[in-house]
Amino acid sequence: EDQVTQSPEALRLQEGESSSLNCSYTVSGLRGLFWYRQDPGKGPEFLFTLYSAGEEKEKERLKATLTKKESFLHITAPKPEDSATYLCAVQVTGDSWGKLQFGAGTQVVVTP
Amino acid sequence: DGGITQSPKYLFRKEGQNVTLSCEQNLNHDAMYWYRQDPGQGLRLIYYSQIVNDFQKGDIAEGYSVSREKKESFPLTVTSAQKNPTAFYLCASSKPGQTQYFGPGTRLTVL
Repeated sequence: EDQVTQSPEALRLQEGESSSLNCSYTVSGLRGLFWYRQDPGKGPEFLFTLYSAGEEKEKERLKATLTKKESFLHITAPKPEDSATYLCAVQVTGDSWGKLQFGAGTQVVVTP
Repeated sequence: DGGITQSPKYLFRKEGQNVTLSCEQNLNHDAMYWYRQDPGQGLRLIYYSQIVNDFQKGDIAEGYSVSREKKESFPLTVTSAQKNPTAFYLCASSKPGQTQYFGPGTRLTVL
C-alpha cells in the first residue's frame, strides 16, 4: 500500500533559524512528488513538483530535494511569513488520473 | 483571473439534512477532485472526475455524491448517510495527471 509520512508533525523556529522538513514515501512507482503550503482556513498553495531522484527546486527561502525514498523541504533563514503547514503528496506511476496521496503535514511556526 | 471558487465558505448542517458544496473553475482543466481534511490527517480523496458526465469514487466516497454536467463545475453533496461530515472540504482541478490546484475550501459543521 502506498504511504506518505511527514516529520516532524510540528516545528517551531526562531526567525533566521534554518531547518528541514522530511517527507518519506513508500510507493510502487513514483511519478511525481508535490509540495504545497497551507495557511489556516485556506486551500493548499502549490510550491514544487519533483520527478526524479537528485532533482532540486528553489523558490525564495525554500528548497526542495528528492531521493529514491524521501524528499526534504529546506527553509533557509525563515521569516514569520513562512509560518504555515507544509504538505507533501505523491503521484504514482500507472495512474493516468493523477490521484495524489497526501502526508499529514508539518506545521511550521516562525517567531520573530 | 483564472482560478477555482468554492461556496459557501462556511456551511452548517442539521442532522438528516443533505447539503451541496459548490466548486467552479475557469482554468479549462479537464480533471476535478474533492478532498476532505480533518485535523492531524492528510487530505483524503472523496471523488474525482476526468471528463464531463464521468466520475470515480475515491478512498472515502460513502455518504457523498457528485455530478459533472459541465466542465467548469463539480458540486459535492453531503448526504444524511455521512455520519461524521464535520470537516474542511477542498476542491481541486488539473490537466490530467498534472499539478492539482486548490480552491479556498468550505468548512462544514454539523449542528
